[in-house]
Amino acid sequence: AQSVTQLDSHVSVSEGTPVLLRCNYSSSYSPSLFWYVQHPNKGLQLLLKYTSAATLVKGINGFEAEFKKSETSFHLTKPSAHMSDAAEYFCVVSDIRNTGNQFYFGTGTSLTVIP
Amino acid sequence: DTEVTQTPKHLVMGMTNKKSLKCEQHMGHRAMYWYKQKAKKPPELMFVYSYEKLSINESVPSRFSPECPNSSLLNLHLHALQPEDSALYLCASSHILGQVAEQYFGPGTRLTVT
Repeated sequence: AQSVTQLDSHVSVSEGTPVLLRCNYSSSYSPSLFWYVQHPNKGLQLLLKYTSAATLVKGINGFEAEFKKSETSFHLTKPSAHMSDAAEYFCVVSDIRNTGNQFYFGTGTSLTVIP
Repeated sequence: DTEVTQTPKHLVMGMTNKKSLKCEQHMGHRAMYWYKQKAKKPPELMFVYSYEKLSINESVPSRFSPECPNSSLLNLHLHALQPEDSALYLCASSHILGQVAEQYFGPGTRLTVT
């Protein structure tokens, strides 16, 4: 069975400082992993994805994530936070089944950026 | 075009009304999804369509009725809803069957049941 744990429900950083949002997963298969961002009253936007190629994945808006199989982690980082990064972030693991892909969401991390 | 569109953006309906939500994509995706999202929570899966056939129904009450008329369109028909059904309803699409696939989400319909 697949599952995702986002270790922090809320993270607060100052503008210009690094961001770290933590995600651990459990998967019976070789997983695909994703990070999505959701701004208030908006849909979810894909930030980046891991699909068993490079373990360090670069995404949009300066975000990166590193897949660490030994630690079953897929933490999201950004070197310097911007005010526009304030949003809800979801880590998602995918399980390919013959009925279609099934996606498992973490509970989300709310990122606050302090000016 | 990597866009999923949803209409309407906002919907207010009474408990006796019948309304429909619409979702459209033109990315050639053959999997389409409906999610319900409450404030400060992750999306909850409601339905999955694969090749225009319902493949997953997550024990959703019958007052929600999905329909997939073709590979680009997904509807959610609403009837006799309850106030607790007020939420953001998100549509998503993806490739399926062995392809590495991310979901693309629409902007959502904000539903208020009065």
